[in-house]
Amino acid sequence: DSGVTQTPKHLITATGQRVTLRCSPRSGDLSVYWYQQSLDQGLQFLIQYYNGEERAKGNILERFSAQQFPDLHSELNLSSLELGDSALYFCASSVVGRPEETQYFGPGTRLLVL
Amino acid sequence: AQSVTQLDSHVSVSEGTPVLLRCNYSSSYSPSLFWYVQHPNKGLQLLLKYTSAATLVKGINGFEAEFKKSETSFHLTKPSAHMSDAAEYFCVVSDLNNFNKFYFGSGTKLNVKP
Repeated sequence: DSGVTQTPKHLITATGQRVTLRCSPRSGDLSVYWYQQSLDQGLQFLIQYYNGEERAKGNILERFSAQQFPDLHSELNLSSLELGDSALYFCASSVVGRPEETQYFGPGTRLLVL
Repeated sequence: AQSVTQLDSHVSVSEGTPVLLRCNYSSSYSPSLFWYVQHPNKGLQLLLKYTSAATLVKGINGFEAEFKKSETSFHLTKPSAHMSDAAEYFCVVSDLNNFNKFYFGSGTKLNVKP
């Protein structure tokens, strides 16, 4: 158990809809990362937050947005969902978000868009 | 720009024989390099990391990797495979010069035969 929690575990929704994925980092970690894992694209870094502020952006679509709240939990919002958004979404956390730090991954949220 | 190439998408070994999973990277700055493992339906777990200290890095479960700058490689090895090593392995590169972005290789699925 990494100490990172993600909810929900599974999500099934329809095209055009909007969903919110939630992540709670390990106790004491200030930085949160979001990743998307799909069969065709592999594992892709989406976005990183540190202590409530966006720190780095990867291949995140404009339809997607994220935030980190004062209690350090984070939410990833996916809107106008398309079939291709079906994937496993991981959250990870690290202490202060430096590139040499270990990231601890949550179990993921499996999203299926029908 | 950074990139990571995992040279084999699938590797199959017999239990008790050595494991070699290959990773080559390109980075414009001093990279941090990681190997993560993903067991089926689980999140990712750190095996080991290189952050500009010793070039031979020892990780968990008997795995180790050697950073070879001249070859831009960071291959993962284990002297003797166990059945429990069957999983997918990801090589990851990050560097401070690129706004903390993290790049995952495409993954290598390790199959261990009895």
